[in-house]
Amino acid sequence: GENVEQHPSTLSVQEGDSAVIKCTYSDSASNYFPWYKQELGKGPQLIIDIRSNVGEKKDQRIAVTLNKTAKHFSLHITETQPEDSAVYFCAAGTSGTYKYIFGTGTRLKVLA
Amino acid sequence: DTGVSQDPRHKITKRGQNVTFRCDPISEHNRLYWYRQTLGQGPEFLTYFQNEAQLEKSRLLSDRFSAERPKGSFSTLEIQRTEQGDSAMYLCASSLVGPDTEAFFGQGTRLTVV
Repeated sequence: GENVEQHPSTLSVQEGDSAVIKCTYSDSASNYFPWYKQELGKGPQLIIDIRSNVGEKKDQRIAVTLNKTAKHFSLHITETQPEDSAVYFCAAGTSGTYKYIFGTGTRLKVLA
Repeated sequence: DTGVSQDPRHKITKRGQNVTFRCDPISEHNRLYWYRQTLGQGPEFLTYFQNEAQLEKSRLLSDRFSAERPKGSFSTLEIQRTEQGDSAMYLCASSLVGPDTEAFFGQGTRLTVV
């Protein structure tokens, strides 16, 4: 069945450094790729998304890239801050559909 | 609008008891989804409504699970005869219909079956 692989499972970076999280999806029909940040005891919060008609999208310190041929997409966080510490999930789905396949999550720790 | 609201936030129940959770979506969002998240894993899709119609159920949703959205607004998820394996975070999300929609999640209901 469809699945999304996410790496690494944990990531520690020094404050101010960059963090990169990578995902691979299997369903060729996927064309919408959201990223969620989840803090302890809270629900996932959408932080950025990308659709298959673009290769890159930026929002301040956060960027996402998509390689449809390789079925890879990545989250880049620059100038990391302690408040970026959380679990990040990638997901893949079809634009306008009702369900996503989520990755297994990356626990990001930003060390002050 | 305060976003997707779920109640209760936490529920502890004894094995074999029935539990019911409620989700209030963002106003005017006609799509509503239920997901389940176990510790250390990503959310897994359970079921989905468009207005009051339940359009799909995952194989994860056993016969002990039932979801309703009677008036196309709030939704309830009931688990009958709970088992320890049902312990998880139950997340609700909502979205508009359309090709460029985004799903917004609630804070979840954490169920512990003892």
